[in-house]
Formats: sequence, C-alpha cells, structure tokens
Amino acid sequence: EPEVTQTPSHQVTQMGQEVILRCVPISNHLYFYWYRQILGQKVEFLVSFYNNEISEKSEIFDDQFSVERPDGSNFTLKIRSTKLEDSAMYFCANQLRATDTQYFGPGTRLTVL
Amino acid sequence: DQQVKQNSPSLSVQEGRISILNCDYTNSMFDYFLWYKKYPAEGPTFLISISSIKDKNEDGRFTVFLNKSAKHLSLHIVPSQPGDSAVYFCAASAGAIQGAQKLVFGQGTRLTINP
Repeated sequence: EPEVTQTPSHQVTQMGQEVILRCVPISNHLYFYWYRQILGQKVEFLVSFYNNEISEKSEIFDDQFSVERPDGSNFTLKIRSTKLEDSAMYFCANQLRATDTQYFGPGTRLTVL
Repeated sequence: DQQVKQNSPSLSVQEGRISILNCDYTNSMFDYFLWYKKYPAEGPTFLISISSIKDKNEDGRFTVFLNKSAKHLSLHIVPSQPGDSAVYFCAASAGAIQGAQKLVFGQGTRLTINP
C-alpha cells in the first residue's frame, strides 16, 4: 500500500533558525495539507495546497510559514524564523480527490530550543 | 474552537467486548466525518468514514453511526482486540465538493483494551 513519508523524523533547532520539513506524498495525489499537534493538544490544520497554490490557511500559518512543491513530488513546509511555540509534531497529508480520505505521514517532531 | 469534541479522554474495555467512542460536533456545515487511529510517534491512520447522507457505515469490526439531528457520531469496535489500544480521533470536514477541505479534529480518546 502506498505511503506518505516525511523527513526528518526529528528536527532540533535553535530559536530564530529556519527549518524545512519535507513530505513525499502518495504519487498521483493532488491535494496536500500540513497539520500540527502540539504535545497534549489537538491535531490542527495549518494549510491546504492544490494546483500549485494555497487553497486555505489557518491563522497559525502566518508570514513565517511557507509551502511549496518545487519538483512535482516533494511537498515542503518552511518556517523562516522558528519560535519556541513552534515545537510540535508536524504531519503532512494528501488525497487523490477533494472528496477522498486524507492519508497522513508519520510526522516530523520539531523541537525549538 | 470546539467544533468537534470528544468528551471522553480515555476508555478502558475488556478484550472481546464492544468499544464505543463518541464524538459531538457543532458546525452544521460538516458533511463528511472520519475516524483515525493513532499510535505514539506515528501519524493518524484512517479507519472509517461516513458521509452526511448516511447514518451508518460498516467495515469489518468497525461501524460508524451518524445522528445528524443530535450532531453526534460514534465508532463501535466489536469485538475489541488488544491491538485496538491507541488514541482515536474523530474528524470532520465541510464542502469537499468545492475543493480541498481541512479536517477539524477532536481532542482524541485513548482506548485501552484489557486482556
């Protein structure tokens, strides 16, 4: 069964540094998402991406965040200047069609010191 | 933002018995509901879903019931097995026919199946 993969599994960074989280979606899926889960809290939506542009973003997804799909396969989330409160598990998800199930990757644990 | 709520943070059930996990929602625009299972250090794994045009969907040991008038859904697992021990998340979305739609998650219920 095709899987969503994410790298790295764990990223430790200093506050103010840039991080890039990578996701390899299931091939031929067209809709892409990033979610995050702060320890002990809900999984919360960050951004959706379709046809090479952002479809929707949450209020969490401010100017410090960006997404892109540079080579038609990898889907990346960049945080330009990390803050302590960005520490969380970040999950990418994708779906073939908007009406289909979203399939999640294993997550990247981001720790900001 | 409490659009999707799972009021039971934990549930303990004996192996072989039925597990019932509950979820309530407030947004009447939600038209698609899903249950995900999550193990520690892993991503959510899709279990079962239901569209708002149905009131029941069954897949093997898993059945999801939707009561639109009460804005309530439940997941039944029968018989429960030790491997079912995990955190279960209820999620909902609205208007998928219009394009990419975010999932709104509940807080999760930790299910423990006791041998």
